[in-house]
Amino acid sequence: QKEVEQDPGPLSVPEGAIVSLNCTYSNSAFQYFMWYRQYSRKGPELLMYTYSSGNKEDGRFTAQVDKSSKYISLFIRDSQPSDSATYLCAMRTRADDMRFGAGTRLTVKP
Amino acid sequence: EAQVTQNPRYLITVTGKKLTVTCSQNMNHEYMSWYRQDPGLGLRQIYYSMNVEVTDKGDVPEGYKVSRKEKRNFPLILESPSPNQTSLYFCASSPGLAGHNEQFFGPGTRLTVL
Repeated sequence: QKEVEQDPGPLSVPEGAIVSLNCTYSNSAFQYFMWYRQYSRKGPELLMYTYSSGNKEDGRFTAQVDKSSKYISLFIRDSQPSDSATYLCAMRTRADDMRFGAGTRLTVKP
Repeated sequence: EAQVTQNPRYLITVTGKKLTVTCSQNMNHEYMSWYRQDPGLGLRQIYYSMNVEVTDKGDVPEGYKVSRKEKRNFPLILESPSPNQTSLYFCASSPGLAGHNEQFFGPGTRLTVL
């Protein structure tokens, strides 16, 4: 069993839809939870970062962490074609034990 | 501009021919690391370095070497590449080891070993 599980998709939605991306994990020691966005032929870039449990909102993006269920989510409201990318969840206790999900490929169609 | 650079971006080579992928950051970061990205497996850490002359193995270090002689540079060395090292490689850096530090990624190096 992988330490971090993420549905690879692909996921295709119409423009304006609400997108839900999820990851589950097994290591209860993880404290920092991140979502990275990776465009084709580019490196991952940090999109959202959450410490411990709770919600965090940034514009159209909301990250949720439920440590009791070992489950994290990223919601994208009013999705745009420019949101088309691969989304990677990641988590760690510190920099050298970072674990990534396999990534979910999202396409938002105009 | 603050960035992590990698060279080359694309490389096709043959089994056994030594190669080096360079990585450089201009943010004075202490922590640097190398990952490989494979379909269905996500990013896996190869090696990391907490500072100059301090390196350690990640999850998949076999077949790779690194060095950290200067703070800004962290080259990845494949002494005798094999086809199973065909992958997309990313270098990353962050200010320190603490979990709240953001990690910045380079643009990636796509390596094909024939």
